[in-house]
Amino acid sequence: QKEVEQNSGPLSVPEGAIASLNCTYSDRGSQSFFWYRQYSGKSPELIMSIYSNGDKEDGRFTAQLNKASQYVSLLIRDSQPSDSATYLCAGGGPTGTASKLTFGTGTRLQVTL
Amino acid sequence: EPEVTQTPSHQVTQMGQEVILRCVPISNHLYFYWYRQILGQKVEFLVSFYNNEISEKSEIFDDQFSVERPDGSNFTLKIRSTKLEDSAMYFCASSFNTGEAFFGQGTRLTVV
Repeated sequence: QKEVEQNSGPLSVPEGAIASLNCTYSDRGSQSFFWYRQYSGKSPELIMSIYSNGDKEDGRFTAQLNKASQYVSLLIRDSQPSDSATYLCAGGGPTGTASKLTFGTGTRLQVTL
Repeated sequence: EPEVTQTPSHQVTQMGQEVILRCVPISNHLYFYWYRQILGQKVEFLVSFYNNEISEKSEIFDDQFSVERPDGSNFTLKIRSTKLEDSAMYFCASSFNTGEAFFGQGTRLTVV
């Protein structure tokens, strides 16, 4: 069974702090990873994709991938109240291919004033 | 900005009835998907569709489910005889030739 595991939270961070969200996966065949943000009652919104070991930065977001440890993380710098949402980690297929995504249960982030 | 659109946003149906959920994927995308999310649970893959045929389906996607791309823009999910446990948010998604899937706003299906 291919699993993506996340701590459900809530993870509470003060405004302006760094939020660190983590995810592990069991399927070594997963080569592509995605972070989605989901506000309550809304659909998942893609915020980051990462395919290679190391870090990938996009604005306030940094995704990190360690395939040897089967670990993916998302850092959100300068957290804002509008970042309060559930963050879903998803694993996909080989890089450059479209395939189904396996989602974790998500981590709920609360950014406090 | 291009987006995936789904209709209706909310559908209430009686148990045993057929429902069709509709989606218009992003126009230059090649791969289309249906996912569902039961309230409080994770997003689950149902089916993927490429080149006018199913490319992969999950064990949830049994004979009660079918998908169709009836024309160049629409992508539909049909549930033939709905059950109470089919109540969920159903998300359509599309992608180009990478795994970056973009989701529609969802259809909330309530089976009573």
